[in-house]
Amino acid sequence: QSALTQPRSVSGSPGQSVAISCTGTGSDVGGYRFISWYQQHPGKTPKLIIYDVTKRPSGIPDRFSGSKSGNTASLTISGLQAEDEADYYCSSNPGTYKVFGGGTQLTVL
Amino acid sequence: EVQLVESGGGLVQPGGSLRLSCAASGFTFTSHWMSWVRQAPGKGLEWVANIKPDGSEKYYVDSVRGRFTISRDNAKNSIYLQMNSLRAEDTALYYCARDDDMAWGLWGLGTLVTVSS
Repeated sequence: QSALTQPRSVSGSPGQSVAISCTGTGSDVGGYRFISWYQQHPGKTPKLIIYDVTKRPSGIPDRFSGSKSGNTASLTISGLQAEDEADYYCSSNPGTYKVFGGGTQLTVL
Repeated sequence: EVQLVESGGGLVQPGGSLRLSCAASGFTFTSHWMSWVRQAPGKGLEWVANIKPDGSEKYYVDSVRGRFTISRDNAKNSIYLQMNSLRAEDTALYYCARDDDMAWGLWGLGTLVTVSS
């Protein structure tokens, strides 16, 4: 039950695209399609933005997209906006346990 | 309104016990696995435990197994987390979350647990 690996921080300017990686193993990220991503603004509750690797819940703009290759999943945010500045967490659900990444702080310059 | 409301947090001494509750409303509670997820101050998210809709299956993160027990009362649309032998490292904001397609689509606001002497 080891945490997934995410970069501590990423940054980008308004309008640019950024990608956040989430690396695990074949026993979690690599072996299952149940990868999800959460956005958390300071002092707020986490919000689901991607599930099943690539799917977006209703109301999440298509600027947010997910992908996976091997043991690494990625969240891409295109057309960065100031309100995207937040912490982002990936999660894998390989079965009887669930694991999060350590979180990535996104700064919009 | 679709919501989850946690309660029961507070200050407890190391070795003590606490019982958290989460009341669900606005959706078919008996159709969903439910989870507890925690976040230590200034730290990331950590899944703690989850429970099947009928309560027949329960799973835990290694660090709490044997000390924490998750349960649910479908008649009251509620889940609980009984926490025993609490440690300083259990200090966190504890969220109740609804499992939707193997992801957490609905979260409560959390209840704060502080373990300190």
